[in-house]
Amino acid sequence: RKEVEQDPGPFNVPEGATVAFNCTYSNSASQSFFWYRQDCRKEPKLLMSVYSSGNEDGRFTAQLNRASQYISLLIRDSKLSDSATYLCVASTDKLIFGTGTRLQVFP
Amino acid sequence: GAGVSQSPRYKVTKRGQDVALRCDPISGHVSLYWYRQALGQGPEFLTYFNYEAQQDKSGLPNDRFSAERPEGSISTLTIQRTEQRDSAMYRCASSRGTGNDYGYTFGSGTRLTVV
Repeated sequence: RKEVEQDPGPFNVPEGATVAFNCTYSNSASQSFFWYRQDCRKEPKLLMSVYSSGNEDGRFTAQLNRASQYISLLIRDSKLSDSATYLCVASTDKLIFGTGTRLQVFP
Repeated sequence: GAGVSQSPRYKVTKRGQDVALRCDPISGHVSLYWYRQALGQGPEFLTYFNYEAQQDKSGLPNDRFSAERPEGSISTLTIQRTEQRDSAMYRCASSRGTGNDYGYTFGSGTRLTVV
């Protein structure tokens, strides 16, 4: 079983839609959590950190549930430019990545 | 430098040969991480360094893989007696601190193909 599990997708959504990604992590010692974005053939880039209190960055909202060991990412008003793979990350002393969820936004 | 630099960008090698992959982190970044990424998968942790000290090598698949960072800056990942299953994108990342409150910056990676 992978330490961080995500639905690989793909999620195909129209522009303007709201889409939600979830992931679970198995290491209860994980201390920090993130979402990374990876465009095709590019390196992963930090999208946002994730906190128990929830945090929002424009159209993006991330949430952590430590009791359930569950992390979520909500994207509102999807844009074509949001098409990418979204990687869920849990960390102790290093980042452990999920498989990634592919999002394709169509016109 | 401005970003994390990895070389070579592409490496094709014959099975059984040794390869050395280089990572030049962002200047002043104390932590350096190596990951391997197969197509359609997320990055898989290999090993990391704080300064010159290798802190964790639990992700190295077997003893053909080794890494060093002798002066706490540039790092080399070496794969001896390469096998076809070693073919992947090898990514390096650096971070300015030793905790995980600091973001990682990834390099563009080295695509290794073993034929």
